[in-house]
Formats: sequence, C-alpha cells, structure tokens
Amino acid sequence: SQKIEQNSEALNIQEGKTATLTCNYTNYSPAYLQWYRQDPGRGPVFLLLIRENEKEKRKERLKVTFDTTLKQSLFHITASQPADSATYLCALDGGGYNKLIFGAGTRLAVHP
Amino acid sequence: NAGVTQTPKFQVLKTGQSMTLQCAQDMNHEYMSWYRQDPGMGLRLIHYSVGAGITDQGEVPNGYNVSRSTTEDFPLRLLSAAPSQTSVYFCASRGSDAYEQYFGPGTRLTVT
Repeated sequence: SQKIEQNSEALNIQEGKTATLTCNYTNYSPAYLQWYRQDPGRGPVFLLLIRENEKEKRKERLKVTFDTTLKQSLFHITASQPADSATYLCALDGGGYNKLIFGAGTRLAVHP
Repeated sequence: NAGVTQTPKFQVLKTGQSMTLQCAQDMNHEYMSWYRQDPGMGLRLIHYSVGAGITDQGEVPNGYNVSRSTTEDFPLRLLSAAPSQTSVYFCASRGSDAYEQYFGPGTRLTVT
C-alpha cells in the first residue's frame, strides 16, 4: 500500500531563516501532491498543489519541489515568522476520485 | 459563505451507543469526504462521495455509514460506538474543477 513519511520530530528554527520540510512516499506514482497547514484544534488548510510534471511551485514565501525519481517533495518557507508555527501535512493523490493519502505531518516552531 | 460546517464540536459516547456527525457545505461542491485523525497518524479516509446519491468506502470504513441525499449534506453515522473510534473527525469538500480540499473545524469524539 502507499506510504507517506514526514519527519515526526518537530522542526525548530529561528525567525528569518528558511524552514525545509520533507515528504517521502513509496509504492505509488501520484499524479499530484498537496501541502496543507493545520493549527491546533482546527482543520487543515490547503496551501499548494504540485503536479507530477512540475519540478517546482511557488506562492509568496512558500516553495514546493517534487522529485518523482526520488519520490520526495520538499516544502520551503523562506523568511519564516513565528506565525508560520503550525503542523504541515503532505498529501498525495491516492488514485480514483477524491482519494487523498496524508502523511502524519511535521510540526514547525519558529522562534523569535 | 460558511464553508464546511460540522456539528457537534465535541461528543462523548458510551460503548455501543450510536450517533450521527453532521457535515454541511455551502460551496456547491460535488466531492465530500470524511477523515479521522489520530495522534501520530495521518488523516485516514473513512468514506467519500462524488455526488448526491453516490458514496464509496475509503481506507477505514468499518463501523461507519454514510449517505448523500443532497449536495450540501454528508452525515457520518456511527452504528455501535467502540473505544477504537475515539478520534477527531474531519469532513472535507472539493469542487470537481480543482483538487484542493476544504476542511471543516472537526468533531472530537470520545468513546468510553
């Protein structure tokens, strides 16, 4: 079955630095991959989608890369701020209609 | 637009009781899904629907029923609650022309 791995340990970084989160997957070739942000006690919020034929996608301070050979996506937040502190979830196309497979998420803490 | 709404926000059940978690969306989205989120695990798909009258099973459907009589509503029924169903439940929807999912605020369910 498909498996998604995200760093289970929290990532602690200093304000202003670039945060890089990793998403690795096995046993599948997804047509697209998504990143979501989740704050405590709230539902996930969509951030970015990248398709299998795209190497990189940007949105403001966010950048996502997608390497289908390595089966890996990297999520970068540049000039990070304390407000960026949250859990970030990676999700990939599970095939068929409306099927997303989620990773367990990585918690990011940005310190002033 | 209210987006995706879920009720109740919190619920405590005794083993063997049944209940319905309500989900509604006002975005005229065709696709709707139910996920459960447990500590250390990714969101897992319970059931999903690709339109009114059409539902299908996800990764962890046992112990849950769904129906979709209208585009707006997608209730999740627990037939006979078990402690293993203690979790946070999220409802999500998406339009047929985009892949991003919109999540509700979640229902925290405890089964004793």
